[in-house]
Parts: sequence; structure tokens; C-alpha cells
Amino acid sequence: QQQVKQSPQSLIVQKGGISIINCAYENTAFDYFPWYQQFPGKGPALLIAIRPDVSEKKEGRFTISFNKSAKQFSLHIMDSQPGDSATYFCAASMGAQKLVFGQGTRLTINP
Amino acid sequence: GAVVSQHPSWVICKSGTSVKIECRSLDFQATTMFWYRQFPKQSLMLMATSNEGSKATYEQGVEKDKFLINHASLTLSTLTVTSAHPEDSSFYICSASGTGIGEQYFGPGTRLTVT
Repeated sequence: QQQVKQSPQSLIVQKGGISIINCAYENTAFDYFPWYQQFPGKGPALLIAIRPDVSEKKEGRFTISFNKSAKQFSLHIMDSQPGDSATYFCAASMGAQKLVFGQGTRLTINP
Repeated sequence: GAVVSQHPSWVICKSGTSVKIECRSLDFQATTMFWYRQFPKQSLMLMATSNEGSKATYEQGVEKDKFLINHASLTLSTLTVTSAHPEDSSFYICSASGTGIGEQYFGPGTRLTVT
């Protein structure tokens, strides 16, 4: 119930394409869903986050789509660039409690 | 805003010695700090949660006597790995949370190598 399942494990996208990473959760009490970007040897950086009262949030080239009934949320990266190559983690939490992380997706953008 | 620092960024120590890692929130007061461990190509594993002035809450399977956590102020938490062994070699990352519900900001991580 506490798990967040993330897919795919790895993804290769051509430059300029759309990268899509999906996450699914079971616990309907989760009320905060962030995405983190991590480069090798660095700590994760908060990319974008959404709460269940909205179905979509967009910040620049990054968009979160949220489907409350399906208990799924996804990250879309438009016009993907080589600099976007990194590992992406979705997560979920209840209130101020600990984050539950997905398994991570290694994204490679080919130039 | 929301900057978290860690020191040192990397450390090499001999087996049996202790190592202290500092985590600081630079531009906000962190009511809660978290310590994670990350193995290569894996997700983050939460080790413990600490609130300022309180004892840390450790996740199941984490030895509290081996991984000592102190959260002495709203801007500083420390993790001490006591009697380190080669299997403790890992990437340790802290995060800090202020008043924003659920929001955690991560430090750059500390690479620990025990020889």
C-alpha cells in the first residue's frame, strides 16, 4: 500500500522528442506527488510537484498529469534535450510525512 | 531559495573509525530532516527522520546505535557512522523540510568509502 511503482526503468528519446515517465500508487491518502531529477554523483533536485486537487501542472517544458481515479501520475518532458539526461524519481507522501519513492527511470536523450 | 548543503562531499576512512556528516539548511528553517542512503543505480532508501530537539525515528532495519543522528538546531543535522565497515560504503544524502507540507529539499550527498 505504501509502494509507488515507476516505469519504465530506462528510456531513450531523441532530441526534441517527448519523454514520458509513469508512476502508480495504491494509498489514496497520499496528497503530495513530486518529481525529482538526479544527476550522477549529485543529490536529487525537486523538479515539479502536484497535489490531487488538480489534474495537470506545467512548468516550462515539464508537465505533471495526475489521474486521481486511476491512482496514476506521469511526467512529460517536452522538447527533450541532452541536458535532460538524468535519473528521474517520482514520489508520494501524506501531509508532512516521509516520501515514498519510485524505483527511478534512467533517461537518455540522444542528440 | 531552499538550499541544503552537506559536508564533506566525499570521505575515505579506515574500518573501525567513525565519520560525521553535516547537513545544513542555508536559507530556511528545517523542522524536519531526513537521512537517506543510495546504492549505485538504485532508489533512495530512507534511514531516519529527525525533528529539531527530538530523537530521530529510524526505519526498520537501520541500526540506531551505528547511525547516530543529531538535529540540534533548525538548520543543522548530523549523521555519525560509528565503527564504520566496508559495507557502510555508500552515498548518503540528507533532505530538509520546512513549513511546506511534503516538500523536501535535498543536499548534494556525501560519498563515504570505508577501506
